[in-house]
Amino acid sequence: KNEVEQSPQNLTAQEGEFITINCSYSVGISALHWLQQHPGGGIVSLFMLSSGKKKHGRLIATINIQEKHSSLHITASHPRDSAVYICAVRRETSGSRLTFGEGTQLTVNP
Amino acid sequence: NAGVTQTPKFRILKIGQSMTLQCTQDMNHNYMYWYRQDPGMGLKLIYYSVGAGITDKGEVPNGYNVSRSTTEDFPLRLELAAPSQTSVYFCALRSGSGANVLTFGAGSRLTVL
Repeated sequence: KNEVEQSPQNLTAQEGEFITINCSYSVGISALHWLQQHPGGGIVSLFMLSSGKKKHGRLIATINIQEKHSSLHITASHPRDSAVYICAVRRETSGSRLTFGEGTQLTVNP
Repeated sequence: NAGVTQTPKFRILKIGQSMTLQCTQDMNHNYMYWYRQDPGMGLKLIYYSVGAGITDKGEVPNGYNVSRSTTEDFPLRLELAAPSQTSVYFCALRSGSGANVLTFGAGSRLTVL
């Protein structure tokens, strides 16, 4: 079992829908990152969380440390949100290293 | 990918050839990483560095070498290219303080034939 599991692996939505992507992890962490990988391959950082909730535009990320779970929400989804969303955790015991989930492929249709 | 320059973007190698992927930053970040991404798989850590003069192995270091003589540069060397090293490679940075976000290079697509 991977230390970082994302669900779903693939998600198709209609424009305007509310989207949730989940990330569960099995180790103690000091931080969790959400990343977006565009169809062209570039990777950008969306959020870094150690507790609570963060919001940026239509994106909201939450983390529950006790339940070892994080969610990424997209409100009013748009075709330009189509990308792979990747969760990565920084373990308490290896502070410099990150462990990545396999990503969630999101397609938003017009 | 302001602040991180990764070259080359594409390269085809023959089995047994060697090459260096370059990663240069002007953000003065301490932490630098090399990852590979295979189709349908998560990013795997090859090597990382927490500062100039300090490097350490990641999950999949075999067949690769790195050096970090300066804060700015963190090259990844493939000594004897093998088909299993066909992948997309990403260099990434993290400040280690403050916002602590990850910044990725644009990626290098390497094919070994």
